[in-house]
Amino acid sequence: EPEVTQTPSHQVTQMGQEVILRCVPISNHLYFYWYRQILGQKVEFLVSFYNNEISEKSEIFDDQFSVERPDGSNFTLKIRSTKLEDSAMYFCASSEGLAGVGEQYFGPGTRLTVT
Amino acid sequence: AQTVTQSQPEMSVQEAETVTLSCTYDTSESNYYLFWYKQPPSRQMILVIRQEAYKQQNATENRFSVNFQKAAKSFSLKISDSQLGDTAMYFCAFMKHESQGNLIFGKGTKLSVKP
Repeated sequence: EPEVTQTPSHQVTQMGQEVILRCVPISNHLYFYWYRQILGQKVEFLVSFYNNEISEKSEIFDDQFSVERPDGSNFTLKIRSTKLEDSAMYFCASSEGLAGVGEQYFGPGTRLTVT
Repeated sequence: AQTVTQSQPEMSVQEAETVTLSCTYDTSESNYYLFWYKQPPSRQMILVIRQEAYKQQNATENRFSVNFQKAAKSFSLKISDSQLGDTAMYFCAFMKHESQGNLIFGKGTKLSVKP
């Protein structure tokens, strides 16, 4: 069965550095998402992406975040200047249709640790 | 703003027994979707069941069923004939009908199925 994959599984970075988290959505899916989960807290929506543009974003998704689909397979989340509070599990998801109609398939997550 | 509350951080059930996980939500929207996601240990989050708010009939998927009480803003998950493979974190989630994929999650309930 097709799965969403994410790399790396764990990323350690120093405060102020840029990180890029990578995701490979399911190949025929058209809608892509990023969520994060700070340890002990809820999973929180960051952004949704469709047709090469952001379709919805949360208040968390400020100017230090950006997303890109650089080629036909990858979907990336860039954090420009990491802060300690960016330490979290980051989940990528994709869906064939809009999430109300189409199920969101989640990746296993990337654990980001900012020191 | 919408909120989702899962009041049971942990639950356990004997194999073959039935267990009900609670979820309440708060919203002023009249049309929305509700979901239960399951995250087994060290595995991806997967969709268990979905309910559309305008449908009065409770959704069912094999051993999984929901009790959707729209007026009470309650959306509980019943797992019948519990199996060891049902051991997982269970997340209740809400999404506005017009949302572009913004799932709002509860904090989760850790379910352990005991042999």
